This record gives sequence, C-alpha cells and structure tokens, in this order.
Amino acid sequence: DIVMTQSPLSLPVTPGEPASISCRSSRSLLHSDGYNYLDWYVQKSGQSPQLLIYLGSSRASGVPDRFSGSGSGTHFTLKISRVEAEDVGVYYCMQALQTPLTFGGGTKVEIK
Amino acid sequence: QVKLVESGGGVVQPGKSLRLSCTASGFAFYSYGMHWVRQAPGKGLEWVAVISFDASNKYYADSVKGRFTISRDDSKNTLFLQMNSLRAEDTAIYYCAKDNSARGLGWGQGTLVTVSS
Repeated sequence: DIVMTQSPLSLPVTPGEPASISCRSSRSLLHSDGYNYLDWYVQKSGQSPQLLIYLGSSRASGVPDRFSGSGSGTHFTLKISRVEAEDVGVYYCMQALQTPLTFGGGTKVEIK
Repeated sequence: QVKLVESGGGVVQPGKSLRLSCTASGFAFYSYGMHWVRQAPGKGLEWVAVISFDASNKYYADSVKGRFTISRDDSKNTLFLQMNSLRAEDTAIYYCAKDNSARGLGWGQGTLVTVSS
C-alpha cells in the first residue's frame, strides 16, 4: 500500500497570511499519462470531506483561487495564499493512483 | 446537482450484520465507480471498498475483506455495503463517494455505525 504522510499535524494561521501543507507519498504518484494522482480534501467541522484539488494541481469547481496545489512524484504541497476564517478545518491528501486509496493523517488548520 | 444520501446506520452488537445504502441522484449513476470510505470517531479517513461502474470489479481494504460486500443496483441508483461479523473497530461514519474518474471523489453526508454490546 502507498503510505501518505502529511505535515504539520496542526497549523495555526493568522487571517490574511499564507499557509502551506506538505504531503509525501511512499512511492511516486506520477502516472504514465503524465498526471500525478493526488487529491486534496478539506473536512469542516461536522461535515463530510469536500474536494479542493485533483490531479495534483487542478482546482475543483467552485474552489477559490487562493487554494493551489503543486508538486510531483512523491512530494506535494497545498497552499492557501491568504487564509480566511472559513478555511478552518482538517485538510487531507489522498493518493488515487491505485487501490487501496490511502489518505494522509490530516492537518488541522485553525485561526490564531 | 449531485446528491448522495447514505442510510442504514445504527447501533449493532459485535458479530452481527448491517446493510448500508447510498441513494444517488443528479448524475448517471450507472456510469460511475463508487466507493465506501469510513471515519472512526475523532480519527482520519480510511478507504473501505470500491465497485466499478459495471460491477465487474470490486476491491476491499484488508481490514474488511471477507466480511464486507459492496454491490450496486443501477435500476434504483443505489449503492450498498453489506457488513457481516461486525467488530468494535468497525465503529465509524461511513461515507459513500462518487468516483469522478481521476477528478476526485464526491461525498455523501455519511451514516454512523456503532458496534457495541
């Protein structure tokens, strides 16, 4: 199975400031089609997860452009250019390259 | 719009069975693979099972293999998860999710399963 490792575990942020979350995989997520099969999800309190980024860097429909995904192979990053209060939640990366799908342990983003 | 509604959760004794359902609307259900993903209380996300769009392929997490069965009824736009020999460690919110073919997963609101005597 592909192991996904996120850091940090907790991320206190100041509104208006940038934030960054790291995700590493135990094997490359770069498919022969040239895409990285890495998604980012956010789970807000009491809600189900919702898709932010797919294929490493493509924003899902309706996701604000302050969210961006980057990286390739085994190292990926989710960046929020200017954090807003509504961005509070737990962020997960997930590899979609092969079954079993596997998730990072989550990063809790909270406002300072 | 896409909507997934899970049902069938509840409290069940260890060793017993439960069947979860996920009713889909707003998209061509028969064209998409579907997943079950669970989340134990206060914990992260754990993938459980997947079924292909035509039900020809099914895969399971090792933790549920041989005990859980995923299936679908396209005539009713419904996904199922039959859970047998339930254990305390199966206690979780169970989400069904639409596989958007490399464009991420779309999630339902979840149904809570509690395995306790």
